Amino acid sequence: NAGVTQTPKFQVLKTGQSMTLQCAQDMNHEYMSWYRQDPGMGLRLIHYSVGAGITDQGEVPNGYNVSRSTTEDFPLRLLSAAPSQTSVYFCASSYRSFAVQETQYFGPGTRLLVL
Amino acid sequence: GENVEQHPSTLSVQEGDSAVIKCTYSDSASNYFPWYKQELGKGPQLIIDIRSNVGEKKDQRIAVTLNKTAKHFSLHITETQPEDSAVYFCASGGALNFGKGTSLLVTP
Repeated sequence: NAGVTQTPKFQVLKTGQSMTLQCAQDMNHEYMSWYRQDPGMGLRLIHYSVGAGITDQGEVPNGYNVSRSTTEDFPLRLLSAAPSQTSVYFCASSYRSFAVQETQYFGPGTRLLVL
Repeated sequence: GENVEQHPSTLSVQEGDSAVIKCTYSDSASNYFPWYKQELGKGPQLIIDIRSNVGEKKDQRIAVTLNKTAKHFSLHITETQPEDSAVYFCASGGALNFGKGTSLLVTP
């Protein structure tokens, strides 16, 4: 199993550009989530999904969109990038829905720089 | 939502010493408390977790203790080694709210 994979590893954007961060898992996990990590702020939840077709907002959802059309994939879309979205983004997945917490497996991260 | 406070933010110990990191949480309904280790340039990885029906759990040099009455839980690392140097995160709550992390440095 490849586990949780993320692409790209690094991206530079100009303010106002859009892009999609890709996340895929091959463990048949129902629950997937996106976090951003900023210095001194820890990991903050952006959006999460408890299964295909179901998504919900986390702590910092503004400026980001998600969809979950398949169990395997959970892309994160930046509609109009802003410098405040410069961060490291982590995708994570776990076996069951968050209502019953289980080990979350994290991807290697995408480092995003918005100029 | 759940609020998780983690202390200290940085911790430096000598090899062989013990390290303790503490977290407090606000939601009394929380029942799952994991600890993650993040090495430089990598994603966080679970190292140990505890559920609310248990007061302590050990795995070799790592242990976690939970005090539900006081709403705090702690990570204990004994006989620290240089490879323990990393950032450690605690978490709690339904959607796993994370603490802000502790940067642990183990010096030879």
